[in-house]
Amino acid sequence: GENVEQHPSTLSVQEGDSAVIKCTYSDSASNYFPWYKQELGKRPQLIIDIRSNVGEKKDQRIAVTLNKTAKHFSLHITETQPEDSAVYFCAANTYNNNDMRFGAGTRLTVKP
Amino acid sequence: DAGVIQSPRHEVTEMGQEVTLRCKPISGHDYLFWYRQTMMRGLELLIYFNNNVPIDDSGMPEDRFSAKMPNASFSTLKIQPSEPRDSAVYFCASSRTGTPETQYFGPGTRLLVL
Repeated sequence: GENVEQHPSTLSVQEGDSAVIKCTYSDSASNYFPWYKQELGKRPQLIIDIRSNVGEKKDQRIAVTLNKTAKHFSLHITETQPEDSAVYFCAANTYNNNDMRFGAGTRLTVKP
Repeated sequence: DAGVIQSPRHEVTEMGQEVTLRCKPISGHDYLFWYRQTMMRGLELLIYFNNNVPIDDSGMPEDRFSAKMPNASFSTLKIQPSEPRDSAVYFCASSRTGTPETQYFGPGTRLLVL
């Protein structure tokens, strides 16, 4: 089955700096890659996703890149703000079974 | 739409007691997922249903855990008997059928087994 690895486990940046979180996946059949943000005590919420037919997607300060050959994808947050502080999860999913596998999460801290 | 609804939001029980967690998926969503989240193990998929049928329960820890989906708008996750190591936040999520779609999470049930 699919195995998703996520790095780093913790990330601390200064307000205004960029943050990058990286994930790798094992199943070449995976074709959907969402990113979730989970604030303390709350549910994971989708912030951006990408499908395997594109290499990059951007939404304001957030962007995701996908390298299918290398089987890795990354989340990029620019101009970070303290409210970006949360745990971020990547995930990978395949068309066949809808069985989404999550990475272990990255705790991002943005220091003011 | 109210989103995915879970109850109770918090549950404190004693070891050995039966615990039942409830979930109402978003209307029209054909998939329902149960996850467990702990600090040590992160977010683990326990089981998921498609059109009320369990598809993959390989994540269910052991026989003490069981899940049902008697209809399209209701699912339960039962732990009997509960143990302290079951303490975690249990999330229910739902998504539409077809091309992999975003899963929408419920608010979670925070379970503490004493």
